[in-house]
Amino acid sequence: EPEVTQTPSHQVTQMGQEVILRCVPISNHLYFYWYRQILGQKVEFLVSFYNNEISEKSEIFDDQFSVERPDGSNFTLKIRSTKLEDSAMYFCASSPNTGGGNGYTFGSGTRLTVV
Amino acid sequence: AQSVSQHNHHVILSEAASLELGCNYSYGGTVNLFWYVQYPGQHLQLLLKYFSGDPLVKGIKGFEAEFIKSKFSFNLRKPSVQWSDTAEYFCAVNPRGSRTYKYIFGTGTRLKVLA
Repeated sequence: EPEVTQTPSHQVTQMGQEVILRCVPISNHLYFYWYRQILGQKVEFLVSFYNNEISEKSEIFDDQFSVERPDGSNFTLKIRSTKLEDSAMYFCASSPNTGGGNGYTFGSGTRLTVV
Repeated sequence: AQSVSQHNHHVILSEAASLELGCNYSYGGTVNLFWYVQYPGQHLQLLLKYFSGDPLVKGIKGFEAEFIKSKFSFNLRKPSVQWSDTAEYFCAVNPRGSRTYKYIFGTGTRLKVLA
């Protein structure tokens, strides 16, 4: 079964540093998403991406965040200057159509720890 | 504002007991509804989905859910749980008919099944 792959599985970074979280969505999917889950809290939407541009973003997704699809396979989330409160599990997801279709396929997540 | 409520945060059951996890959402329009499961240390996996037709939907691993439009509910059920069902369960809603591709997740229900 096709998978969404995320790397690294765990990243520790110092406050103020830049991090890039990487995702390889399923190859024929067209819509890409980032969600995050702060420990003990619910999964929160960050951003959706389609046709090489952001289609929607949440209030969490401020100027510190950016997404990119640098080539035909990778989908990255960059946090420019990390804060302690950015510590969370970050999930990438992809879908062949909008979320109203067959549902997303999620990756296994990257646990980001900001110290 | 759109929201999803999962009433039970922690549920402990013995094997063979029946399970029902509640999910209510607040949104006046048409929605697509999902239940995801997250086993310890793993990614979110789709259990089942509803977007039209029979309001009783069957998913993987013997789970089912019933959409009751008048109650804005989508409760998850399983007649007889197993130890391997120990996991966290998330209800998610995708409002249809807009540019909103995002899911709105509930806070999750942590299920522990005792052998």
